[in-house]
Amino acid sequence: DAGVTQSPTHLIKTRGQQVTLRCSPISGHKSVSWYQQVLGQGPQFIFQYYEKEERGRGNFPDRFSARQFPNYSSELNVNALLLGDSALYLCASSSGTGTYGYTFGSGTRLTVV
Amino acid sequence: EDKVVQSPLSLVVHEGDTVTLNCSYEVTNFRSLLWYKQEKKAPTFLFMLTSSGIEKKSGRLSSILDKKELSSILNITATQTGDSAIYLCAVAANTGNQFYFGTGTSLTVIP
Repeated sequence: DAGVTQSPTHLIKTRGQQVTLRCSPISGHKSVSWYQQVLGQGPQFIFQYYEKEERGRGNFPDRFSARQFPNYSSELNVNALLLGDSALYLCASSSGTGTYGYTFGSGTRLTVV
Repeated sequence: EDKVVQSPLSLVVHEGDTVTLNCSYEVTNFRSLLWYKQEKKAPTFLFMLTSSGIEKKSGRLSSILDKKELSSILNITATQTGDSAIYLCAVAANTGNQFYFGTGTSLTVIP
């Protein structure tokens, strides 16, 4: 069974640009959560989606948005990129809402220059 | 504000040493505390603790939760170079759908 897959693995963008990150959950998992991990910090919660509905949102500006598709994969969009958005973006999937049975993907390393 | 604090921030030890990593938390409606190991990118699950005073063990790693002191420790005995990683502590609440993570402890094991 494939684990949580994220793409791309690395990305370099310029300030002001927009970026889309993608996540495919483990087969059978209906929930996807997104976290931002800035270098030297722990992961910070951005969103959780379950059955295509937003079930949780962290303290991030409206430049951050996400959606979940009928096949339970998810996209995270960040508009008007700032240097401070440079981070490892982690996706985690689970079978239900909440925090049980999380499995993390390997992340997308975003660098904003 | 809910928060999780880990100490020390970093640690360098020699192979064979025993280390203790600390995690304290202030999270409303605590449900569980988890430890993760992060080597390159994906955090991998180590332990989940929900009951105070019950030790979880896996090989050379063990962890225990103290709900009175709002803290947990992760012990690693007979450390090996493969234990070098960042160890993350995460707390889940009964309400909400997120983990609150600490900043992590960076462990380096020298041969």
